[in-house]
Amino acid sequence: EDQVTQSPEALRLQEGESSSLNCSYTVSGLRGLFWYRQDPGKGPEFLFTLYSAGEEKEKERLKATLTKKESFLHITAPKPEDSATYLCAVQVYSGGGADGLTFGKGTHLIIQP
Amino acid sequence: EAQVTQNPRYLITVTGKKLTVTCSQNMNHEYMSWYRQDPGLGLRQIYYSMNVEVTDKGDVPEGYKVSRKEKRNFPLILESPSPNQTSLYFCASSVGGPVLHQYFGPGTRLTVL
Repeated sequence: EDQVTQSPEALRLQEGESSSLNCSYTVSGLRGLFWYRQDPGKGPEFLFTLYSAGEEKEKERLKATLTKKESFLHITAPKPEDSATYLCAVQVYSGGGADGLTFGKGTHLIIQP
Repeated sequence: EAQVTQNPRYLITVTGKKLTVTCSQNMNHEYMSWYRQDPGLGLRQIYYSMNVEVTDKGDVPEGYKVSRKEKRNFPLILESPSPNQTSLYFCASSVGGPVLHQYFGPGTRLTVL
């Protein structure tokens, strides 16, 4: 069974204190790994898609990396507006074409001023 | 403005009373999907549709129905709702499948008494 595990469940940082969120996955054949941001009471907002080990993508203070077993979302010098829940999801290859997505439970990030 | 809309945003109903949650997107996307989000369980996919008249089950399809008669609309039907379907529901769409940027709707909070 495909599994996606995110850690930590919650993380509290001071403004400017860099850190990393982890997403480990156990899947039969990875088609893509995704990072989303979700603010309270809103739908998830797309951040990145990573397709193969070694790939990296950046957006402002966020950088996502991918290995064969896990992905990291690095947050550099975070600001209070970066506070949100960060979700990781994977899609796997299937014989009949595209499958759905499997999401992790998310990391709730709080950045204190 | 490119967006996914859901209606209603909030709904309180009783066990067994059929209901439909509508989802519409104005981006001419082929792929649409429904998720439910529960505390401690994260986002789980209910159904998805790769194109008109093409739908497939996600991880938790029991108790739900969908239809895709038009490209822009993807309603979620609960024919006989039960209290365990109390949840926050999200509709999403993307141009060519979940490996691409998915746009999420604002969510529908459903309570079944």
